[in-house]
Amino acid sequence: GAVVSQHPSRVICKSGTSVKIECRSLDFQATTMFWYRQFPKQSLMLMATSNEGSKATYEQGVEKDKFLINHASLTLSTLTVTSAHPEDSSFYICSAGDRASKNIQYFGAGTRLSVL
Amino acid sequence: SQKIEQNSEALNIQEGKTATLTCNYTNYSPAYLQWYRQDPGRGPVFLLLIRENEKEKRKERLKVTFDTTLKQSLFHITASQPADSATYLCALPNSGYALNFGKGTSLLVTP
Repeated sequence: GAVVSQHPSRVICKSGTSVKIECRSLDFQATTMFWYRQFPKQSLMLMATSNEGSKATYEQGVEKDKFLINHASLTLSTLTVTSAHPEDSSFYICSAGDRASKNIQYFGAGTRLSVL
Repeated sequence: SQKIEQNSEALNIQEGKTATLTCNYTNYSPAYLQWYRQDPGRGPVFLLLIRENEKEKRKERLKVTFDTTLKQSLFHITASQPADSATYLCALPNSGYALNFGKGTSLLVTP
C-alpha cells in the first residue's frame, strides 16, 4: 500500500518556540493531505485539510495562525505549530489519499509533541 | 450533531475466539464506512472499507457488516491472535475525503 512518512516522530520544545512537522507521500502524489490531532484515549480530531498549491481549509475552532499549513508540492505538507504552549502538547498525525483510492487514508506514524 | 460511538470499554477475549466490535452512528448518511487499526503511539492503518450498498465485506480473518437502517457496523476478527491486540477505529467520511473517527475500542487477545 501507499506509504506516508512523518517526521519527526517526537519533539520536545520550550514554550514559545515553533515546531515544524513534515508529512511526505513516498510513492504516490497527494493533492490533498489531512492533519489530525489526538489526545490520550480520545479519537482523532481533524484539524485541517491541506490542499496542494492553495490555502488549507481549517476545521471550526482550529486557529489558522497558530497551526500553519503549507502544501507546496504533491508529496509534501508541513504543519508548523507557532509559539507553542503546553496545551498544544498532543499527538499530531497526517494522512493522505492517493488518486486511485481516494476514500482510503494512509497515515503517517504520528508526531508526539511535548511543550515544556 | 454527527456522532460515531464505539464501545469505550476494552474487549478482552481468548486466543482463537471471534472478536466483535460495534460502531454506531447518528446524523450521518454515509456513502461508506471504514475500519482502521491503531497501535499505541502509531498512526492508524487502513483495514476495510464497506460501501452503503454492501451488506458485508471480508478480508482474510476480518469481516465487516454495514446496516444503514440500524446505522451500525460490526467488525469481526475470527480465530483471534495476540497480535490482533490493538485499538480499532471506525471512521465515516467528512467533507471531501477527510474522515471523522470514533474513539476506538481496545482489543486484548490473551493466549
